[in-house]
Amino acid sequence: QVQLQQSGPRLVRPSQTLSLTCVISGDSVSGDSTAWNWIRQSPSRGLEWLGRTYYKSKWYNEYAVSVQSRITIYPDTSKNQFSLQLNSVTPEDTAVYYCARGALWTGTPDWIDPWGQGTLVTVSS
Amino acid sequence: SYELTQPLSVSVALGQTTTITCAGNNIGRKNVHWYHQKPGQAPVLVIYRDINRPSGIPERFSGSNSGNTATLTISRAQVGDEADYYCQVCDGSTVAFGGGTKLTVL
Repeated sequence: QVQLQQSGPRLVRPSQTLSLTCVISGDSVSGDSTAWNWIRQSPSRGLEWLGRTYYKSKWYNEYAVSVQSRITIYPDTSKNQFSLQLNSVTPEDTAVYYCARGALWTGTPDWIDPWGQGTLVTVSS
Repeated sequence: SYELTQPLSVSVALGQTTTITCAGNNIGRKNVHWYHQKPGQAPVLVIYRDINRPSGIPERFSGSNSGNTATLTISRAQVGDEADYYCQVCDGSTVAFGGGTKLTVL
């Protein structure tokens, strides 16, 4: 059974970098049938997909247009985990952040399951 | 970006059947996935690729997708089905979620 354990600071100052890590157990970050996603949720924006990383002969990263200039998602195969960095945060980035596994169906990202427990990150001075 | 529209709320009498819709342009050509989310918890997949149930999800949950509307049907509704429900599709290299529907079981 796949489990995802998130960690990272819950308070980030404006203009700083938000960093979260998701440790994977029961699956491999470099598996060829899975993608590893970051998603956030806030009352104003609902569920918002941020991006993913996945391995299919080589590493791919895909990001939402809304954050693509500020985001990096990267795997760490030695620790079987993946991480999110979101730069230049503002109070608008305050949200519950989830890591989640995505299925690759015929090599294309598809449904998302399971999700991590979520981390409320507040951007405030 | 691809837009998915869901009703804000739906109510159903205990033991009855209800549907939650997800509207999108030619959504019938996409794979639609459904999640439920209870307060303070992460979303949980209940239907994938339009009609498929993950293991552990009751047969009371079913899905369909055609034209411009995908539908989640919950039969014999139970109090434990009260949750927010979200639809999701992949659109090119991105992911879109619906705004969510709050299901109330009366």
